[in-house]
Amino acid sequence: GQNIDQPTEMTATEGAIVQINCTYQTSGFNGLFWYQQHAGEAPTFLSYNVLDGLEEKGRFSSFLSRSKGYSYLLLKELQMKDSASYLCAVTDSNYQLIWGAGTKLIIKP
Amino acid sequence: DAGITQSPRHKVTETGTPVTLRCHQTENHRYMYWYRQDPGHGLRLIHYSYGVKDTDKGEVSDGYSVSRSKTEDFLLTLESATSSQTSVYFCAISERDRDSNQPQHFGDGTRLSIL
Repeated sequence: GQNIDQPTEMTATEGAIVQINCTYQTSGFNGLFWYQQHAGEAPTFLSYNVLDGLEEKGRFSSFLSRSKGYSYLLLKELQMKDSASYLCAVTDSNYQLIWGAGTKLIIKP
Repeated sequence: DAGITQSPRHKVTETGTPVTLRCHQTENHRYMYWYRQDPGHGLRLIHYSYGVKDTDKGEVSDGYSVSRSKTEDFLLTLESATSSQTSVYFCAISERDRDSNQPQHFGDGTRLSIL
């Protein structure tokens, strides 16, 4: 079967760095997405990785290792507004998007 | 922001009644999706469309039907609502092509309660 694993919840301190991991087992691979979802709101697109390596976008970076079936989202200089759920989603060989259950990130002052 | 409008935003109805949710886009994107989101399950695909009158089932399609008569509108219908269909429903659009990848962009969601 197809499976995406992420931690259910993480806690971090304002100003610190946090890494949210995602491991996947899917039928083929055509890219990995990260989304942010604030409580009661819609998911919003953060990043996309299809090749191995690190993609940086300001305070957020996303890393992919296809051979290990592994990605992480790195958030630097955490702000209170970063409190949200972070969703990992993988595109399989049929270009269907398989979603993880999301990681709820709690930022403490 | 991608031009996606979902209606209604909130609805409370009774078991056994029909319900139709509407998704309207102004982006002229080919692909449109309906998801439901429940605690502990993440986003689950109900149905999707890859063009006018072209639709396909997702992983949780039982009890739902869809229609797409125009590029901009994608309707989700619960023929006879059940309490297990109480959920938050999201519509998404993507400018992807059949064998290409693009991110999906989401509407604000519809909170549906079935009593």
